[in-house]
Amino acid sequence: EPEVTQTPSHQVTQMGQEVILRCVPISNHLYFYWYRQILGQKVEFLVSFYNNEISEKSEIFDDQFSVERPDGSNFTLKIRSTKLEDSAMYFCASSLDRGAETQYFGPGTRLLVL
Amino acid sequence: QKEVEQNSGPLSVPEGAIASLNCTYSDRVSQSFFWYRQYSGKSPELIMSIYSNGDKEDGRFTAQLNKASQYVSLLIRDSQPSDSATYLCAVLLGGTDMRFGAGTRLTVKP
Repeated sequence: EPEVTQTPSHQVTQMGQEVILRCVPISNHLYFYWYRQILGQKVEFLVSFYNNEISEKSEIFDDQFSVERPDGSNFTLKIRSTKLEDSAMYFCASSLDRGAETQYFGPGTRLLVL
Repeated sequence: QKEVEQNSGPLSVPEGAIASLNCTYSDRVSQSFFWYRQYSGKSPELIMSIYSNGDKEDGRFTAQLNKASQYVSLLIRDSQPSDSATYLCAVLLGGTDMRFGAGTRLTVKP
């Protein structure tokens, strides 16, 4: 069964450093998403991406974040200058279409900022 | 006002009982609603989606939606220990902006 994959599974970085989280969505899916979940808190929508541009973004997705689809398979989330409060699990998801279409989540990348 | 609210639990039921999970949402224009299950340290996994008022059944799971009351629920019949997890209610605000509740932790005791 097709699945969303994410690398790395864990990432430790120093405050102020840039990190890039990588995702490979399901191959025929057109919409891609990033969510984060701070330990013990709810899953939070960051951004959705379609046709090589941002479709929607939340208030969390500020200028330190960016997303890119650098080739036909990868979808990345870049955090430019990490802060302690960026420590969280980051989930990538993908769906065939928008709206009611099921979003399939990847296993997540646990980011720890020291 | 929180967009999606759930009782955090924990909710504990004996094996074989019915577990009832509730969720309210604040955005009246929302049209799509989802229940996800999340095991500790894992990613959310879709259980059910519901878009119309009323009940929707899938195996041991029944989702109920009441748009007038802005209320969504999930019933799990014949609860099993493997159902022990955190259940997340999610509401699609726009075409792609999905907002989650904080989740209800369910424990099914053998």
